[in-house]
Amino acid sequence: GAGVSQSPRYKVAKRGQDVALRCDPISGHVSLFWYQQALGQGPEFLTYFQNEAQLDKSGLPSDRFFAERPEGSVSTLKIQRTQQEDSAVYLCASSQGKNYGYTFGSGTRLTVV
Amino acid sequence: DAKTTQPNSMESNEEEPVHLPCNHSTISGTDYIHWYRQLPSQGPEYVIHGLTSNVNNRMASLAIAEDRKSSTLILHRATLRDAAVYYCIPLRNDMRFGAGTRLTVKP
Repeated sequence: GAGVSQSPRYKVAKRGQDVALRCDPISGHVSLFWYQQALGQGPEFLTYFQNEAQLDKSGLPSDRFFAERPEGSVSTLKIQRTQQEDSAVYLCASSQGKNYGYTFGSGTRLTVV
Repeated sequence: DAKTTQPNSMESNEEEPVHLPCNHSTISGTDYIHWYRQLPSQGPEYVIHGLTSNVNNRMASLAIAEDRKSSTLILHRATLRDAAVYYCIPLRNDMRFGAGTRLTVKP
């Protein structure tokens, strides 16, 4: 596609529910990042993939957060047993590599009630 | 990770040039310097990036100091649509955002 696509655009989850957020990067992009952005804050790094390899997951806030990119293209961020503090916009970005600019998706706004 | 220092906020008048500074004194020799901006209620948008030489594109220019410890993003003629938070990021394997500079453009 022409850009990075994220789905769903909005998600409301009851506390304790599991959610899965999808990112479709630009075709051929090897690098993929996930970010969490709380209201009024800058994006916070969660994890980074190069192809299917998860090279850095140091930003994942707890073991309830899990990300995968099994075939090196589509990526899924899963949050188990959601809590209210997980409410945020989750952003995905992809690139051909660090020598190139990153394209961001529009994000998924997660609200935990 | 290379640390960055940017002014919290800046103001500009419409149609005037804007120079947004960034200090990244701990940058390593292979870190590219990326700039992104985020308009209200939107995801971040790529602006420009460079390694050592100054760079120009249709959106902006990037001036990189000879020692690479600082850089300046230049918007040649600010418009109201340029009002955003601007982030300077020395890019290694991870891309971490700082607080950025909130640019206000006055008509």
